[in-house]
Amino acid sequence: EVHLVESGGGLIQPGGSLRLSCAASGFTASNSYMSWVRQAPGKGLEWVSVIYTGGSTYYADSVKGRFTISRDNSKNTLYLQMNNLRVEDTAVYYCARGRLVFPIFDYWGQGSLVTVSS
Amino acid sequence: DIQMTQSPSSLSASVGDRVTITCQASQHINNYLNWYQQKPGKAPKLLIHDASNLETGVPSRFSGGGSGTDFTFTISSLQAEDVATYFCQQYDNFPPFTFGPGTKVEIK
Repeated sequence: EVHLVESGGGLIQPGGSLRLSCAASGFTASNSYMSWVRQAPGKGLEWVSVIYTGGSTYYADSVKGRFTISRDNSKNTLYLQMNNLRVEDTAVYYCARGRLVFPIFDYWGQGSLVTVSS
Repeated sequence: DIQMTQSPSSLSASVGDRVTITCQASQHINNYLNWYQQKPGKAPKLLIHDASNLETGVPSRFSGGGSGTDFTFTISSLQAEDVATYFCQQYDNFPPFTFGPGTKVEIK
């Protein structure tokens, strides 16, 4: 059975850094397009970043240059390194599995809350 | 980037009613359009992929259609457990994989 479990969220001051983890089980994460999607309180869904099976990475303009997506194949785990955090980055961050090489998000984690506040 | 709009932003209907949500893309996206359901406090759930393909295990009262720039999502007979926010998402010109702003469905 497929499971995605995020961790690493919390309260951080503006300008700070945080790393989110997403532990995958029941499938091999490196065989799928893996994404991070966030949701600000009371708002809609915003795609943040994707790592392709071949390792290519892409970012939303709102986080480009500040966030880095990566994965550890040996741990079957996805990461999101978030630097220079802003108040507007406050959101629940979900990792989501793409169906093989398509961004059809068929499994989602439970989400990890990141609060950026002084 | 491709922009997605949805209408209405919210609706209230009675149990058993037929409910339709529309999603429009700012440019042609073929049928690369997915629909998700999100209940309060929960992660989104994929209901329909590629405009009209129902996910395994999703009730048949849910359906999707359209192509190009205009898409629809229909609940043929609204049930109490369908109270949720529904999002469309395109992936024709990816990345970015754009979501629509969502439609909140409530029971009257």
